[in-house]
Amino acid sequence: NAGVTQTPKFRVLKTGQSMTLLCAQDMNHEYMYWYRQDPGMGLRLIHYSVGEGTTAKGEVPDGYNVSRLKKQNFLLGLESAAPSQTSVYFCASRNYNRGGEQYFGPGTRLTVT
Amino acid sequence: AQKITQTQPGMFVQEKEAVTLDCTYDTSDPSYGLFWYKQPSSGEMIFLIYQGSYDQQNATEGRYSLNFQKARKSANLVISASQLGDSAMYFCAMRLDSAAGNKLTFGGGTRVLVKP
Repeated sequence: NAGVTQTPKFRVLKTGQSMTLLCAQDMNHEYMYWYRQDPGMGLRLIHYSVGEGTTAKGEVPDGYNVSRLKKQNFLLGLESAAPSQTSVYFCASRNYNRGGEQYFGPGTRLTVT
Repeated sequence: AQKITQTQPGMFVQEKEAVTLDCTYDTSDPSYGLFWYKQPSSGEMIFLIYQGSYDQQNATEGRYSLNFQKARKSANLVISASQLGDSAMYFCAMRLDSAAGNKLTFGGGTRVLVKP
């Protein structure tokens, strides 16, 4: 049982390049989330999904797209990376029960130069 | 809209002593959950403790307890008998049960450094 995994762990992009971050969970969770964490700050929600085939915008969605084609996977895409997107990206998932905490992946450190 | 405030950016605590981390929240929703997460220097987010707004008793998990004062809208984390491994960032978060996706809103965090 790996929990929540993220690929890659580190990435350096040049401005204007694109990339996709992959999040996978093996806990059969319905809900999945993508957050970003800037230095010295808390996490901010980018996008989330309440089930396969559904996605919704969070607090800071601009510049990102997501897809959830399979229940266990949640992809975060950057179509044209900008230096402002330099951050640590966390994926999380949770079950659909009232008290359930979110389980987080290890994070992806992205630098855009 | 909900808001989470952690007013202590950083604090020192002596090993084996207790420490209280402050968290206040703002919501008019009656049903919500409050969470504390630990983020050590390695970066991962570790769930510590949960308190539901309708829970009658304060939550406890080992050395962690949550001092929930609903009228004051505070959910302070108490770590008893601090250990060197408790040095980390600590985040308070809130989830509104009515919110789509049951998403979390995080506070800015408190950095704790345990001194030997």
